[in-house]
Amino acid sequence: GDSVTQMEGPVTLSEEAFLTINCTYTATGYPSLFWYVQYPGEGLQLLLKATKADDKGSNKGFEATYRKETTSFHLEKGSVQVSDSAVYFCAVKNTGFQKLVFGTGTRLLVSP
Amino acid sequence: GAVVSQHPSRVICKSGTSVKIECRSLDFQATTMFWYRQFPKKSLMLMATSNEGSKATYEQGVEKDKFLINHASLTLSTLTVTSAHPEDSSFYICSASPGQISGNTIYFGEGSWLTVV
Repeated sequence: GDSVTQMEGPVTLSEEAFLTINCTYTATGYPSLFWYVQYPGEGLQLLLKATKADDKGSNKGFEATYRKETTSFHLEKGSVQVSDSAVYFCAVKNTGFQKLVFGTGTRLLVSP
Repeated sequence: GAVVSQHPSRVICKSGTSVKIECRSLDFQATTMFWYRQFPKKSLMLMATSNEGSKATYEQGVEKDKFLINHASLTLSTLTVTSAHPEDSSFYICSASPGQISGNTIYFGEGSWLTVV
């Protein structure tokens, strides 16, 4: 079945540092890829998504590019803020299905 | 605003009792909803697929008799944790999608924190 592998956390950065959270996936067909964010005490929010190869999803300064050749969807941000501290989940969904398969999540801690 | 709403957001119950969590789609009809469980510092694990008008489909290892799912209408699915025990304490979250009309966008509820004491 489909699966997602994320880098282990926590990732600890200082404010304004560059962020990369790695995500690779295995899936059949042509899946869509997602990054969700969970702030402390809250539910999941969609951060960005990409539906086909070479698509770049972006939102709130975060970016991720759908790389079919490396089956990756790494999350990046050029300059993190304290308010970005949260848990980030990479997820994959196959076409025509609503079921999401999540990675284990990566906790990001940003200090002032 | 939220398009999928869960209630309650937090609940504490005594061991041995049952607790019901509701998941509502606010602006759309959802023939299918999904229930996930998140263990502390772990990922979200799909528990079951809730199907309107029919039985839920449970993932391997999830006890059907313990986690009762009822999808009685196109806007409401409920998860009942029966005879709850402390190990059932967790974060439960549902998701639903309006389907192709929304580009198959999936919306999550706010989640429900269950603590069994």
